[in-house]
Amino acid sequence: GAVVSQHPSRVICKSGTSVKIECRSLDFQATTMFWYRQFPKKSLMLMATSNEGSKATYEQGVEKDKFLINHASLTLSTLTVTSAHPEDSSFYICSARDLEHNYNEQFFGPGTRLTVL
Amino acid sequence: QKEVEQNSGPLSVPEGAIASLNCTYSDRVSQSFFWYRQYSGKSPELIMSIYSNGDKEDGRFTAQLNKASQYVSLLIRDSQPSDSATYLCAVRAGNQFYFGTGTSLTVIP
Repeated sequence: GAVVSQHPSRVICKSGTSVKIECRSLDFQATTMFWYRQFPKKSLMLMATSNEGSKATYEQGVEKDKFLINHASLTLSTLTVTSAHPEDSSFYICSARDLEHNYNEQFFGPGTRLTVL
Repeated sequence: QKEVEQNSGPLSVPEGAIASLNCTYSDRVSQSFFWYRQYSGKSPELIMSIYSNGDKEDGRFTAQLNKASQYVSLLIRDSQPSDSATYLCAVRAGNQFYFGTGTSLTVIP
């Protein structure tokens, strides 16, 4: 149980385009999802906390107009990188909490590798 | 500011030895503590979770928590080359999780 998927696993796009990344909880309802970014050989950086049905809470320094987060259902959250530039190239990882069955933990998706040319 | 600190390493141990990873945290209201293993290019994988003071053992892994000292550690016994990875310490306070920068472990055959 507690499986989180992400799609796509890898995406390459041209500078200026927008990219949407999906995060799904496959066998539980996730009232809270987190979006992280990780640069090579660096630690996880929390970008935002997404609660179903409400606006995401962004961490300081993360542009909410550039990184659009939607959490419209209990099993799906999306991150859209708008007008992507090469500096947005990174590993994006989502995670989800199953508050009903496991309050303590978060479960990570496999990540999405974004390369902006 | 909640902080989780780890020695970035790299930590090298010979195969079969015990690897000891350490983590300190600054927030006394932290409630749950986790160790994740992350291989290069992959997302973190939960290794151990611990919620109360003392030791918790799972196979070759032992987590140790001391809330008074705000210290959590991970011991890996009989280290294997496949244990070579970055180990992330994380704490939960309420709905927020805070990660350390990770310790890189290399197990030398």
